[in-house]
Amino acid sequence: KQEVTQIPAALSVPEGENLVLNCSFTDSAIYNLQWFRQDPGKGLTSLLLIQSSQREQTSGRLNASLDKSSGRSTLYIAASQPGDSATYLCAVKDFNAGNNRKLIWGLGTSLAVNP
Amino acid sequence: NAGVTQTPKFQVLKTGQSMTLQCAQDMNHEYMSWYRQDPGMGLRLIHYSVGAGITDQGEVPNGYNVSRSTTEDFPLRLLSAAPSQTSVYFCASSPLYSGETQYFGPGTRLLVL
Repeated sequence: KQEVTQIPAALSVPEGENLVLNCSFTDSAIYNLQWFRQDPGKGLTSLLLIQSSQREQTSGRLNASLDKSSGRSTLYIAASQPGDSATYLCAVKDFNAGNNRKLIWGLGTSLAVNP
Repeated sequence: NAGVTQTPKFQVLKTGQSMTLQCAQDMNHEYMSWYRQDPGMGLRLIHYSVGAGITDQGEVPNGYNVSRSTTEDFPLRLLSAAPSQTSVYFCASSPLYSGETQYFGPGTRLLVL
């Protein structure tokens, strides 16, 4: 059974730091992996989606990498800003999810960027 | 585009009451789903639909019903609310192609007393 773990659960950094959020999964047979952002009381916003055949994706100050063989993904945030404060969720789609489109979710990393 | 909309934003129910959580999307997505989010448990799939007239169960379907009469709407019904259904509910939609991301609504916070 696929399980997704995110470390650390919470992170507090000063503004301007480069930081790395970690996501690990137990079964390497995945279709894709996604990183989402969730602001308090709000829905989820997709940040980056990495297909199983890809190694990384970049969007602005965000870079996500995927290493299927080791069951790991990292989300790198460059030059962090207070506006980056949110919970970051990692989700994998199993290769055999079929029509279920089921995403298996980590519990998230709560990030606070202090001015 | 409004994207995915959900109503109400917040609701308080008494045990045994029924209600319907509304979800609508204007992106012509075939796939729609309902999740619940609970502290320490992450998001869990309740029900999903791959098109009008087609629905199926996710991992935690008990106590919930859904229907999909149009592409745009996917309501979630609680027939007899229980305190264990206190949660935040998210609706999501996406194209049918598995490689696409899902778009989420802002959520409905439900408290069952």
